[in-house]
Amino acid sequence: SQELEQSPQSLIVQEGKNLTINCTSSKTLYGLYWYKQKYGEGLIFLMMLQKGGEEKSHEKITAKLDEKKQQSSLHITASQPSHAGIYLCGADMKTGANNLFFGTGTRLTVIP
Amino acid sequence: ETGVTQSPTHLIKTRGQQVTLRCSSQSGHNTVSWYQQALGQGPQFIFQYYREEENGRGNFPPRFSGLQFPNYSSELNVNALELDDSALYLCASSLKWSGQYEQYFGPGTRLTVT
Repeated sequence: SQELEQSPQSLIVQEGKNLTINCTSSKTLYGLYWYKQKYGEGLIFLMMLQKGGEEKSHEKITAKLDEKKQQSSLHITASQPSHAGIYLCGADMKTGANNLFFGTGTRLTVIP
Repeated sequence: ETGVTQSPTHLIKTRGQQVTLRCSSQSGHNTVSWYQQALGQGPQFIFQYYREEENGRGNFPPRFSGLQFPNYSSELNVNALELDDSALYLCASSLKWSGQYEQYFGPGTRLTVT
């Protein structure tokens, strides 16, 4: 989707390293979702952010939504091989169709 | 495990044929959305059903149609299959529509059109 840009497209990190994935929109994000996907499988819900400045954490993953609600970041601390996969951000932009727009994803590889 | 199930897991069809994909929502969820995910891309919204009525549609032709049943399970039908319809088809269930409510995805159906 051109509405959401994710960066980087792919990331290779050594186990134990920290990393950040970004999701940027030119429009206001009314609901921002982070999902993880194993290749060819369904999406696993990670976190949902709605308020500007909101930050949520689950285990070693932290997601933030900026004050302007146009950018979100996903940060993984002390990465593990189990973190490997494709990370997708999805957003509700209140277009009237009640759907989520998705970025193209970030493929994360963690080297043991 | 999200509680959202899809069938079949994989499917191979020939161009011009018709296909029906099925989705069972998570218990208590009354909204189902369908997405198409081409290889290397993010999911693209096809349509959404809320209480058995279509509640929004993406940029897909009319040969993509759907149904939602009283138990909130859903079907996606695609007529006159084209090679470009080859993709992973995902359904997501939620309590009401996105933005305020979490959407939970099923494992997907991999459709290959030859």
